[in-house]
Amino acid sequence: EAGVTQFPSHSVIEKGQTVTLRCDPISGHDNLYWYRRVMGKEIKFLLHFVKESKQDESGMPNNRFLAERTGGTYSTLKVQPAELEDSGVYFCASSHWVGFYEQYFGPGTRLTVT
Amino acid sequence: AQKVTQAQTEISVVEKEDVTLDCVYETRDTTYYLFWYKQPPSGELVFLIRRNSFDEQNEISGRYSWNFQKSTSSFNFTITASQVVDSAVYFCALSEALSGGASGSRLTFGEGTQLTVNP
Repeated sequence: EAGVTQFPSHSVIEKGQTVTLRCDPISGHDNLYWYRRVMGKEIKFLLHFVKESKQDESGMPNNRFLAERTGGTYSTLKVQPAELEDSGVYFCASSHWVGFYEQYFGPGTRLTVT
Repeated sequence: AQKVTQAQTEISVVEKEDVTLDCVYETRDTTYYLFWYKQPPSGELVFLIRRNSFDEQNEISGRYSWNFQKSTSSFNFTITASQVVDSAVYFCALSEALSGGASGSRLTFGEGTQLTVNP
């Protein structure tokens, strides 16, 4: 069974540009989560999808971030326009069951905004 | 608000030593779950264990063991006879019910402990 995959693995963009990150969850997992780790700090929750619906997006930092999950399969996270403080590692995770179950993480996308 | 503290930023040991990674948490929930994840150099977070707040039994899995103590709000992780392959960043995490009554949970992470096991 393939794990969670993320693309790209690294992205370097200039301030003001747009970047789109993609996450493919484990097949059959309805729950998809986005997290971010900035500057070696703790990993912080951004949002949670159940199938194509946003269940909770209270962790999204501002309206420059837009997440979608059309068709309930893969998800994209767009940052537009990117700012310096957006640099960090963006993780995607998925789980089969809703609730306090383990989440399976991808390798992350390292975003650098210069 | 929930919080997880991993006070040890970096730990360095020599192979075959035992090492304990500390995790202290804060929550007002009566039902919660605690997790440990390992992040090897390849980057992905690898799930290690999940414990619920009603089960304080210690758990052992091979060279790994976990000590959950509700009285001190701690969930420490011990690696016995460490090996070079154990070198990684280890994260402790606490589950939290989502806002607005939505089902599901999100994880609150500590800052991680970088473990280096030297040959």
